[in-house]
Amino acid sequence: AQSVSQHNHHVILSEAASLELGCNYSYGGTVNLFWYVQYPGQHLQLLLKYFSGDPLVKGIKGFEAEFIKSKFSFNLRKPSVQWSDTAEYFCAVNEGFNKFYFGSGTKLNVKP
Amino acid sequence: SAVISQKPSRDICQRGTSLTIQCQVDSQVTMMFWYRQQPGQSLTLIATANQGSEATYESGFVIDKFPISRPNLTFSTLTVSNMSPEDSSIYLCSGIAGGYHNEQFFGPGTRLTVL
Repeated sequence: AQSVSQHNHHVILSEAASLELGCNYSYGGTVNLFWYVQYPGQHLQLLLKYFSGDPLVKGIKGFEAEFIKSKFSFNLRKPSVQWSDTAEYFCAVNEGFNKFYFGSGTKLNVKP
Repeated sequence: SAVISQKPSRDICQRGTSLTIQCQVDSQVTMMFWYRQQPGQSLTLIATANQGSEATYESGFVIDKFPISRPNLTFSTLTVSNMSPEDSSIYLCSGIAGGYHNEQFFGPGTRLTVL
């Protein structure tokens, strides 16, 4: 089975700071990679996804992620965070048309 | 995109009782899943809801405790049986819609508190 590791459990940043959240997975084959976001009181929403092609993926709200196959990583980045980015972020992996494996999540607090 | 709704949104239940959570999708989905999200933790997959047949359960979850039905492509139920306080959690339904490149859509969750 897959395992997905998110190294940062809780991140506190000031507005305009840059963000990078780490995500590593264990499977060596072909995978699909996702970042989901859960804003306070809301349900999980897709932030961005990678299936193939350009390893640098751009998502909504200025987020991007880079797939580095040799490192089994799919780190999430944003050059300048806003207070409204305060949320919990989950990395997820699936193999083909199958079940998803989620990381433990990273809680981001952005101070205004 | 697929829109998923769940009922109830929250409930407070007594120990030993059972609760059935309903999940409705506004369009046909090829796969449906049930997750549990305990306080401060990530999502744990309970089972894959299979249309017209028994659900496929993950390790640590059994049908007697979490019976699941999926009578058609847009509806599923999860029952939490003989509840104990350890079952207090958020229960999430999700679906994968064909044509959306494996994107998984989530319901808003059902927040369950067992006293």
